[in-house]
Parts: sequence; structure tokens; C-alpha cells
Amino acid sequence: AAGVIQSPRHLIKEKRETATLKCYPIPRHDTVYWYQQGPGQDPQFLISFYEKMQSDKGSIPDRFSAQQFSDYHSELNMSSLELGDSALYFCASSRWTGGAMSNEKLFFGSGTQLSVL
Amino acid sequence: AQKVTQAQTEISVVEKEDVTLDCVYETRDTTYYLFWYKQPPSGELVFLIRRNSFDEQNEISGRYSWNFQKSTSSFNFTITASQVVDSAVYFCALSEPNSGYSTLTFGKGTMLLVSP
Repeated sequence: AAGVIQSPRHLIKEKRETATLKCYPIPRHDTVYWYQQGPGQDPQFLISFYEKMQSDKGSIPDRFSAQQFSDYHSELNMSSLELGDSALYFCASSRWTGGAMSNEKLFFGSGTQLSVL
Repeated sequence: AQKVTQAQTEISVVEKEDVTLDCVYETRDTTYYLFWYKQPPSGELVFLIRRNSFDEQNEISGRYSWNFQKSTSSFNFTITASQVVDSAVYFCALSEPNSGYSTLTFGKGTMLLVSP
């Protein structure tokens, strides 16, 4: 079965550079989520999109932006990178089937390991 | 206050032992979801189970079982006859109505080390 695809798998950047992470959800999934997991930490929610509109926002820095495109893939853009941005960035997708408590389980991609030097 | 508490930071067992990972959650909502994810050394997050707050029936899947107790706000995970491949970090997570049940609040994770 198709899974959530994230690219690149690894990314090395220097301070103050920009980075773009891509996420391709499972086919027919209309919602994508971005999470950040620092070393030894639990994943922290950044932002989510449903049907190409931002649906929820977590602890995403102002230096970061994201969007979901017409084909439902999503990109996380990160500017003015800082050392503290080094983390594993996960994308997850789900399919909203309508009504309370009807969203399907969240599937995560393998993550993009970003290292800022 | 931590919404999802996994008090066990690290557990070490020998293969074939049974092990239980604890998860205690906090929410004011009557409807919510609970999850368990596995993160092996390779880094990906692997979905294990999702349980809604109205379903307190315990679940068994092979060597895995889950015990959901609303009275104690706990959702514990037991691995029977553990194997080396079970070595991973296990996260418990909660989703609530204020996010449309769509975002997860994770616990800090429990690292399970299974030695041969």
C-alpha cells in the first residue's frame, strides 16, 4: 500500500539558509500535518491543512510557512535557519470522512532529517 | 501540565519477557482519541493503534495488547514475549475536539530495549 512520501530524506543546511521540505500524502487523503521532533524529544505539531486550507496551527515559527497544493501535496518552507531547527520533520496524512470522531488514523512519513550547521 | 504522561523513560527486558508501557492522559473532553506509535531506530513513526474514548474494550493484536481504563485515564500497552525487533521508542498520543481531533499531543516516549 502507498504510504506518505517525504523528500528529501536528509538535508544539510547552514545557518541563515532556506530549506523546503516536501510531503506527498497517501492517495485520497485530504489532510496533511507537519510535526517537528527535536533530538530525544517527542514530536511537536506545527501546522495542518485540509483541502488546501490551513486547518490548525501549532508551534510553528514565523520563519516557517507551509501550503498544500491542488494535488494535495504539501511543502514546508523554512527560512533564516537556526541551529535549533535541526530536527526530524514528519509529515502525516489522513482522510476526513465527515462528522465528529470520523477522521481516520494518522499515517506518518519516514521524516526528513534536517541538520543546520 | 503534561497532557500525556509516559512515566517510564526507558525499559530494558530480555527477549521473551512480557513488558507493559504505561500511558496516562489528561483531558476535559468526553470524546477523544488515543494512539500508540512505534519509532524504531530508523526513525519513522509506525502507527500501532487508535482508540476512541467510547470504546473501552481491550484489544489484542498478535503479541500486542492494549488496556484502556477511563476511570484511571490510562491506556497501557503490553508486549507479550518481547523480541529484539521490538526495541524502539514508543509514543502514546492524544487527540481532542479542539483541533477537530486532527492533531496529536504526544507523550515523551518510552524507550524499550530488548536484549537477546
